[in-house]
Amino acid sequence: GQQLNQSPQSMFIQEGEDVSMNCTSSSIFNTWLWYKQEPGEGPVLLIALYKAGELTSNGRLTAQFGITRKDSFLNISASIPSDVGIYFCAGQLRGSNFNKFYFGSGTKLNVKP
Amino acid sequence: DTAVSQTPKYLVTQMGNDKSIKCEQNLGHDTMYWYKQDSKKFLKIMFSYNNKELIINETVPNRFSPKSPDKAHLNLHINSLELGDSAVYFCASRLQGNDGYTFGSGTRLTVV
Repeated sequence: GQQLNQSPQSMFIQEGEDVSMNCTSSSIFNTWLWYKQEPGEGPVLLIALYKAGELTSNGRLTAQFGITRKDSFLNISASIPSDVGIYFCAGQLRGSNFNKFYFGSGTKLNVKP
Repeated sequence: DTAVSQTPKYLVTQMGNDKSIKCEQNLGHDTMYWYKQDSKKFLKIMFSYNNKELIINETVPNRFSPKSPDKAHLNLHINSLELGDSAVYFCASRLQGNDGYTFGSGTRLTVV
């Protein structure tokens, strides 16, 4: 299957700090999605990106679709304890089946109050 | 009024058994999916149905058989369960033309 490399694998930060994580691939993607998964729940969509260079915000979260179309970044500003969870990127390959998305391996975020 | 609901939430069963997981969505979406999340949290697509028609079938053992009686339901039947089938299985749905999936809360399958 398609490889989406997500980093870092995990992060331990202090409340109030800013967080950055990214997702890269050797292939070109048409669409990037960012999801958050909390324990015992399914992933929930945070941000969707559709064009190279696009920068989109959702509250304290900002995500960017990389210019090369092979990467995407998610930033969280002024983290709070409820940001704890696993963050996944997901991408749809250029020219692929319209319905199919590949997921990264996730970034586990821990926030110390 | 849960959007995508899966049952059961937990399933513990012995090797060799046959089991089913059910999924229903009340969002009016036309496409439904099954994903498998392993112990390392990696999410991998298994199947997708669009209006009851199978459109994605990844390399999954044929012991796994999805069934979609209508576009609001997608069930997963697993025959001859093996230890390696232990995982969390997520159902998801989306509306054609809208990229965001809505996921269910998962079914944790443990094969002993």
